[in-house]
Amino acid sequence: SQQGEEDPQALSIQEGENATMNCSYKTSINNLQWYRQNSGRGLVHLILIRSNEREKHSGRLRVTLDTSKKSSSLLITASRAADTASYFCARGGQNFVFGPGTRLSVLP
Amino acid sequence: DADVTQTPRNRITKTGKRIMLECSQTKGHDRMYWYRQDPGLGLRLIYYSFDVKDINKGEISDGYSVSRQAQAKFSLSLESAIPNQTALYFCATGTSGAYEQYFGPGTRLTVT
Repeated sequence: SQQGEEDPQALSIQEGENATMNCSYKTSINNLQWYRQNSGRGLVHLILIRSNEREKHSGRLRVTLDTSKKSSSLLITASRAADTASYFCARGGQNFVFGPGTRLSVLP
Repeated sequence: DADVTQTPRNRITKTGKRIMLECSQTKGHDRMYWYRQDPGLGLRLIYYSFDVKDINKGEISDGYSVSRQAQAKFSLSLESAIPNQTALYFCATGTSGAYEQYFGPGTRLTVT
């Protein structure tokens, strides 16, 4: 069963704008990861944040984690058309629980 | 990712047929996973294996079986395919020392 989900389900923005996606979960976690999936392809790992971390950066990506609210956010700054994809958070432990994802469309 | 390969990439089969999906990896990882993806539902874990002698059921194992033939190979079988098993199937690998998983390109399975 799903332990939470991403929000919004879909997001459409213009190139150059920032995109923010949120992830909520219901049980305690060791870490939380974000993955990207281009249409019909395998998922690609983007970034991992551990339960004792509050913020992490990787290039144009910024992830925050609020364990008291059981939520995380992924910010993509200065978006590009190539960022068009679905983004999933995975709540981990030994195994992962993936949410249904956010479909991001970046319009040129 | 060429390090994790899945065969076949596409398969159409009929209800009641037995079908096997295969996964191979050259990453040297000890952990392997099978997921299915349905539109709007994200990925759901079917089975996982932490080493050759370790097989565990995931969230949705009914109707599926697996075999870990070697560290590098993990196969998923549908003993008697049914239409609601139509989905995109992904194999993934990982290690005991890190959390991230590495996904294959997927197998699109259609059961008619």
